Amino acid sequence: EPEVTQTPSHQVTQMGQEVILRCVPISNHLYFYWYRQILGQKVEFLVSFYNNEISEKSEIFDDQFSVERPDGSNFTLKIRSTKLEDSAMYFCASTLTTGFNSPLHFGNGTRLTVT
Amino acid sequence: KNQVEQSPQSLIILEGKNCTLQCNYTVSPFSNLRWYKQDTGRGPVSLTIMTFSENTKSNGRYTATLDADTKQSSLHITASQLSDSASYICVVSALSGYALNFGKGTSLLVTP
Repeated sequence: EPEVTQTPSHQVTQMGQEVILRCVPISNHLYFYWYRQILGQKVEFLVSFYNNEISEKSEIFDDQFSVERPDGSNFTLKIRSTKLEDSAMYFCASTLTTGFNSPLHFGNGTRLTVT
Repeated sequence: KNQVEQSPQSLIILEGKNCTLQCNYTVSPFSNLRWYKQDTGRGPVSLTIMTFSENTKSNGRYTATLDADTKQSSLHITASQLSDSASYICVVSALSGYALNFGKGTSLLVTP
């Protein structure tokens, strides 16, 4: 069964550095998402992306965050200047449609540790 | 504010037993409710999706119910297996927007 893949599985970076988290969504999917999960807390929505533009973003997704689909297969999340509180598991997800019965397929996440 | 509350926070049961997890939500206007299973260190995996017109849906040993009037859902697991040990997350979507509203999950441990 096709799956969403994310790389790297674990990223350690120093505060203030830029990081890029990479995702390859399922090939025929059209809608892409980033979520994050701080350790011990619930999954939080960051951003949704469709037709090469952001369709919705949360309060968490401030000017330090950006997303890109550079080549038609990869979907990236960039954090320009990481903060300690950015440490979390970041999940990429994709779906074929936003219809009622369209499940969201998640990758296994990238654990970001900011030191 | 859209909220999703789950109970219990954690649960331990013996292998072979049944259990029921609860979800209450205040998301409005309601679109659909999903139950996900999240193994430790992995991404959530969809178990069921229900719209307002559905009040029960099964996926193998998992049966979800939905009462859109009281804004409550439950996930019933029958004949539990050790591999059912995971976090079970209730996720509610509003009609407007793409964002999903996640509950904190119920951590289930199935012991031999």
